[in-house]
Amino acid sequence: GNSVTQMEGPVTLSEEAFLTINCTYTATGYPSLFWYVQYPGEGLQLLLKATKADDKGSNKGFEATYRKETTSFHLEKGSVQVSDSAVYFCAVANAGGTSYGKLTFGQGTILTVHP
Amino acid sequence: NAGVTQTPKFRILKIGQSMTLQCTQDMNHNYMYWYRQDPGMGLKLIYYSVGAGITDKGEVPNGYNVSRSTTEDFPLRLELAAPSQTSVYFCASTNTAQETQYFGPGTRLLVL
Repeated sequence: GNSVTQMEGPVTLSEEAFLTINCTYTATGYPSLFWYVQYPGEGLQLLLKATKADDKGSNKGFEATYRKETTSFHLEKGSVQVSDSAVYFCAVANAGGTSYGKLTFGQGTILTVHP
Repeated sequence: NAGVTQTPKFRILKIGQSMTLQCTQDMNHNYMYWYRQDPGMGLKLIYYSVGAGITDKGEVPNGYNVSRSTTEDFPLRLELAAPSQTSVYFCASTNTAQETQYFGPGTRLLVL
């Protein structure tokens, strides 16, 4: 089955620092890739996604590029803010006719940004 | 448009008790899912449904049951609660495969 490996956390940064959270996956076919964010006390919400190789997803200053050759989907932001403090999950959608939209998640990376 | 709603927000159960976690979506999505989130772990799929009357097991179904009598509702049933079921439970829905899943706010369950 599919699997997702995320950079271990927690990650602590100062405001305006550069952020990278690594994500690599194993999957068959050509799955869509996602980054979800979970703010304290809330459910997960989509941050960005990419549906095919070399696509770049972007939202709120975050970016990630679908790299099929390295099976990676690393999350980056040039200048983080305190409000970006959250847990970030990388996920891969199961491909194929019987996937039924199922997702496989990484273990999550806790990000804390200090003023 | 409320999206995905879950009740209750928090519950404490004694070992052996039963309860139903409610999940409702108002987006007319066909696919619905139940996940559990344990500390420091990603989300694990418990059960999923591809439409009213159709459900199937996910990665960790033992100790749980589901039903899907309508498009909107997808309740999760715990029959004999065990401490290992202490977790945060999330319901999610989507309209098609490979698309964004929309999550509810979660139910925190403590089994003592």
